[in-house]
Amino acid sequence: GIQVEQSPPDLILQEGANSTLRCNFSDSVNNLQWFHQNPWGQLINLFYIPSGTKQNGRLSATTVATERYSLLYISSSQTTDSGVYFCAVATGNQFYFGTGTSLTVIP
Amino acid sequence: SAVISQKPSRDICQRGTSLTIQCQVDSQVTMMFWYRQQPGQSLTLIATANQGSEATYESGFVIDKFPISRPNLTFSTLTVSNMSPEDSSIYLCSVEGLTGGGYTFGSGTRLTVV
Repeated sequence: GIQVEQSPPDLILQEGANSTLRCNFSDSVNNLQWFHQNPWGQLINLFYIPSGTKQNGRLSATTVATERYSLLYISSSQTTDSGVYFCAVATGNQFYFGTGTSLTVIP
Repeated sequence: SAVISQKPSRDICQRGTSLTIQCQVDSQVTMMFWYRQQPGQSLTLIATANQGSEATYESGFVIDKFPISRPNLTFSTLTVSNMSPEDSSIYLCSVEGLTGGGYTFGSGTRLTVV
């Protein structure tokens, strides 16, 4: 199966700081998504982004499919951004999750 | 209203018992997916459930332990059978293509086995 690696594994930020999370994948994919898992375990879809760039408020994401990586940008971080961020990719109907980046935003 | 409704949201169960988790979708979907997330880990696909046929299980998961039903195009259940503490996890259902592309997940079931 496809290998999905995320970095960094852990990140601590001061409120208001910016950050970049990275997702590398080992093969061509037809789907890439970024999710935020909140402390209650709910998995929230942030971006469906198999290629290109998207922005939603303080979050944006870029996927360079030819180079097999994606980046998630968080600007002006808030304490509510804390949680685990997962990148997941799909080829056909098989969906592969990365190991996640655990983000803690401190006031 | 929620696109996917999953219940229960959490439960604490005695070892040796079984728990059935339900997933209801607002629209008809061909395939539904069940995932397990063990504590501190990423998500792992358990099985894919198609309406009208047997579920397809991933390596390491078997039907006797995780029987799945898919009676129609909007509903599925996953049963965790003969539970042990090692089954303590978050279980999530997922469908494809409901909200602008990609996969959407239910709110998850946090299971603790004591």
